[in-house]
Amino acid sequence: EVQLVESGGGLIQPGGSLTLSCAASGFSVSNNYMNWVRQAPGKGLEWVSVIYTGGSTYYSDSVKGRFTISRDNSKNTVYLQMNNVRVEDAAVYHCARAYSTYLDWFDPWGQGTLVTVSS
Amino acid sequence: EIVLTQSPPTLSLSPGDRATLSCRASQSVSSHLAWYQQKPGQAPRLLIYDASNRATGIPARFSGSVSGTDFTLTISSLEPEDFAVYHCQLRSNWPPVITFGQGTRLEIK
Repeated sequence: EVQLVESGGGLIQPGGSLTLSCAASGFSVSNNYMNWVRQAPGKGLEWVSVIYTGGSTYYSDSVKGRFTISRDNSKNTVYLQMNNVRVEDAAVYHCARAYSTYLDWFDPWGQGTLVTVSS
Repeated sequence: EIVLTQSPPTLSLSPGDRATLSCRASQSVSSHLAWYQQKPGQAPRLLIYDASNRATGIPARFSGSVSGTDFTLTISSLEPEDFAVYHCQLRSNWPPVITFGQGTRLEIK
């Protein structure tokens, strides 16, 4: 069964750091375009980042320079390192596999992990 | 920057009704639009891709269409499990920029 399971969310102070994990099963993250998408409370979905099969990475303007996406092929896991976290980064963070280089659509998605930012 | 506007924000209907959800792009775009269903506490589920193609396992009552910059998700006869939030999503060409609509909440009347 193709599945994604996120972990690592929690309460963090503004300016702090946190690393989220996304463990995949049923397919290899190294052969797919893996993404993070977040959803702030009461808001819509917001794409955050992608890591391509060749290792190239892209970020939304809102997180560029602060977040880093990576993967560990041996653990079949994708990560999101969040640094200098802001109040507006509070959200449920989902990982999702994208179809095509252009990220035409996302399937499957993980259930998400909640990041709360507060002092 | 492309903006996707979903309407209405909330749609109140009864089981058996026909639901029509709209997603309008702010400028001329490709047809690579996707629709997702999301229930509380659950992951989004892909329903439609490339504007009109049903994803694997999605019932035939779900259909998608496009006319210019107006994309429509239609649920022909609502089942109780269809009441959820629906999101549309579009991608740019390059570099990757992904845009989501703000969602339409489909609630039981």
